[in-house]
Amino acid sequence: QVQLVQSGAEVKKPGSSVKVSCQSSGDTFNTFATSWVRQAPGQGLEWMGGILPIFPTTKYAQKFQGRLTITADKSTSTAYMELSSLRSDDTAVYYCATGSSWYADYWGQGTLVIVSS
Amino acid sequence: DIQMTQSPSTLSASVGDRVTITCRASQSISSWLAWYQQKPGKAPKLLIYKASSLESGVPSRFSGSGSGTEFTLTISSLQPDDFATYYCQQYNSHSPVSFGGGTKVEIK
Repeated sequence: QVQLVQSGAEVKKPGSSVKVSCQSSGDTFNTFATSWVRQAPGQGLEWMGGILPIFPTTKYAQKFQGRLTITADKSTSTAYMELSSLRSDDTAVYYCATGSSWYADYWGQGTLVIVSS
Repeated sequence: DIQMTQSPSTLSASVGDRVTITCRASQSISSWLAWYQQKPGKAPKLLIYKASSLESGVPSRFSGSGSGTEFTLTISSLQPDDFATYYCQQYNSHSPVSFGGGTKVEIK
């Protein structure tokens, strides 16, 4: 059984950056793909990007290219999502999720990021 | 990126009804499709992967079918716990992953 524990809520100013962490339990971190998915208030799920640490391979949605960086620290089984040039419409709950392929068997608890001046 | 279109966006149904949700991909994704259920304030839950494989622990009233560009999620007999929002997701390894817009299943 995999558990994903995310870092706490953040309040950021427009134009700044946010970095959210996601620590995985168990021994699957290197071989499982970890994705970052966000959900704005009242909206649907939006896949942002992901990483497969063993190679490593990263994939990004075109919408976030240049503004999103996903990394993985294999020594601590922790994945990171850093989003820069924040805008008010980046306000959302950010989830990490992982699985043996690019679908997700396991999800973190979510991290609320509020972007407000 | 591959676009995923779900229909309907909202569905009103009664307990015991058979419910079908459709998901269409903008290009062929073979069988690289998953379905999730999400309830308010909770993380999504995986129901189906590889278009028709039932995730462990998911009730057998849920089933998935399709390949290429057209897929369906069927709930054979809707139960009170099934009122939720459902999302499809393509995970073609050669492309970024993407979700459909969601289908909210409401009580009629």
